[in-house]
Amino acid sequence: GAGVSQSPRYKVAKRGQDVALRCDPISGHVSLFWYQQALGQGPEFLTYFQNEAQLDKSGLPSDRFFAERPEGSVSTLKIQRTQQEDSAVYLCASSLGRLAGEQYFGPGTRLTVT
Amino acid sequence: ELKVEQNPLFLSMQEGKNYTIYCNYSTTSDRLYWYRQDPGKSLESLFVLLSNGAVKQEGRLMASLDTKARLSTLHITAAVHDLSATYFCAVVSGNNNDMRFGAGTRLTVKP
Repeated sequence: GAGVSQSPRYKVAKRGQDVALRCDPISGHVSLFWYQQALGQGPEFLTYFQNEAQLDKSGLPSDRFFAERPEGSVSTLKIQRTQQEDSAVYLCASSLGRLAGEQYFGPGTRLTVT
Repeated sequence: ELKVEQNPLFLSMQEGKNYTIYCNYSTTSDRLYWYRQDPGKSLESLFVLLSNGAVKQEGRLMASLDTKARLSTLHITAAVHDLSATYFCAVVSGNNNDMRFGAGTRLTVKP
């Protein structure tokens, strides 16, 4: 069946530009997570949704980062006024239940800020 | 704050040899995960360990969990080249949905 998909797969932005990254979770999955993975590092938690509710955004590094999931399915991670330190792979994951059960990861979006 | 430490961070093995990757975490947890990541790819779930003493095996990989020691191990038996990848452990603490990952172990299996 279809897994988690993300788009675009690659994004190059000039410093100061806004970007929007999309995640399509597995159909029916209640929970959706965003992670940031810097080169050579493990993924770091950004935010979590249960259906359309954003229950935890403690990992968002600054107020330039904003995430939404308005209808409880597709989610968008928006980064305003991108900085070079935002360059990373952004991973989306979904899981069936409300607690962090087995998460299924998307292929990621590699963001490069020049 | 939950911290997760893996070691070693880099591991070069000969085919046919055995080795163990260690994952230590700092606070009580009832869920521990192992993932595999190939270069340029996303994370693939390997094991979910939910209770003290849990042991799971898939092919040449075996994972175990000791919640009292706050330690999980990933044991590789008779390594083959196809196992070359980065392996991550991740821990979720309590009812929190914040999954914390280790830094990863980059495994290279040489002929």
